[in-house]
Amino acid sequence: KAGVTQTPRYLIKTRGQQVTLSCSPISGHRSVSWYQQTPGQGLQFLFEYFSETQRNKGNFPGRFSGRQFSNSRSEMNVSTLELGDSALYLCASSLGTGGFEKLFFGSGTQLSVL
Amino acid sequence: AQRVTQPEKLLSVFKGAPVELKCNYSYSGSPELFWYVQYSRQRLQLLLRHISRESIKGFTADLNKGETSFHLKKPFAQEEDSAMYYCALQTGANNLFFGTGTRLTVIP
Repeated sequence: KAGVTQTPRYLIKTRGQQVTLSCSPISGHRSVSWYQQTPGQGLQFLFEYFSETQRNKGNFPGRFSGRQFSNSRSEMNVSTLELGDSALYLCASSLGTGGFEKLFFGSGTQLSVL
Repeated sequence: AQRVTQPEKLLSVFKGAPVELKCNYSYSGSPELFWYVQYSRQRLQLLLRHISRESIKGFTADLNKGETSFHLKKPFAQEEDSAMYYCALQTGANNLFFGTGTRLTVIP
């Protein structure tokens, strides 16, 4: 069974631009969550989607948004990029059936904002 | 507010020695705690979770609600245990609060 796939692996953008990251969950998984990882702040929860609906959201500004498609694939968008958005963005998938589930993480997208 | 604290950024032990990675949490609800591990050049993956009370790769962790701790322990460290370890608290649907991580190095 293929793991969680994130594309692209690396991205370089300039301040003010916007970016879209993609995540394909493990087949059969309906929940996708996103995390930002930086050396200073560590891993921080962005949001979680289940059945095309955002179920949970972390404390990030509105520039960070996401969506989920009917096939459970998810995209994350960051608008008006700032230098501080440079980070590794991880997505994780799970069955989404409720309770405290095991999350399966992707390899991440490394975003550099210049 | 919820918080997870891993006081040690770096921890080195000799092979065969016991290892303990500390984790303390702050949460007003009923905590659900996990340990995730990231080996070199690999993805972040679940090591063990409190609810399962399991032992994975010789590691165990006991939830101590009185001390609000969930320390990870192994009696005899192996070289392959060298990795980054993250303690995490789950409060909602797949909403994990991670500690800042401890890098464990097992010295041969």
